[in-house]
Amino acid sequence: GAGVSQSPSNKVTEKGKDVELRCDPISGHTALYWYRQSLGQGLEFLIYFQGNSAPDKSGLPSDRFSAERTGGSVSTLTIQRTQQEDSAVYLCASSRGGGSNQPQHFGDGTRLSIL
Amino acid sequence: AQSVSQHNHHVILSEAASLELGCNYSYGGTVNLFWYVQYPGQHLQLLLKYFSGDPLVKGIKGFEAEFIKSKFSFNLRKPSVQWSDTAEYFCALLHGSGNTGKLIFGQGTTLQVKP
Repeated sequence: GAGVSQSPSNKVTEKGKDVELRCDPISGHTALYWYRQSLGQGLEFLIYFQGNSAPDKSGLPSDRFSAERTGGSVSTLTIQRTQQEDSAVYLCASSRGGGSNQPQHFGDGTRLSIL
Repeated sequence: AQSVSQHNHHVILSEAASLELGCNYSYGGTVNLFWYVQYPGQHLQLLLKYFSGDPLVKGIKGFEAEFIKSKFSFNLRKPSVQWSDTAEYFCALLHGSGNTGKLIFGQGTTLQVKP
């Protein structure tokens, strides 16, 4: 597709369960970002990938959160032992390269609800 | 720490009214600034960006923003809004030296334009 694709679009799960969120970046984009959009917190950076490496994972809120990227393409964000405060929209963005002169293209997000 | 502040959380205007959304940032170094828009049910899209040069930046759909270094501001303007401008608007600052492309977002401003 032409844009960043995220799946699932919605996820409802029980507290304590693990979830996996997927992001397919635009083909050829080497940089990939995860952000979280939640009420009261706005949009927060989680992690940045350049290729398969994550030089900046400073935004991951706890060790329950992890992410990986394989083949320089698809990325998965995993949340273990989910808590209610994890409820948010998780956004993925990609760009041609890291750095300031490459605009980030965002996906539609995954809306995660923890019961 | 770097931060972005958007003063107006919810703005209601009538069509043809002029728009100005405030954005202030906190960072002492060279700044790269962005405005993103999220229309209802759609993903975040880049409206405009400032890297250097002319402090008056023109973006898509008739929007412009002015970078005023002395005021640490990057306010978004449009002379005459349309109903289709109803959306959420986010101001963002590129973090640090910009090597990673990590964005720091403001809390967002919801704009409602009445026909």
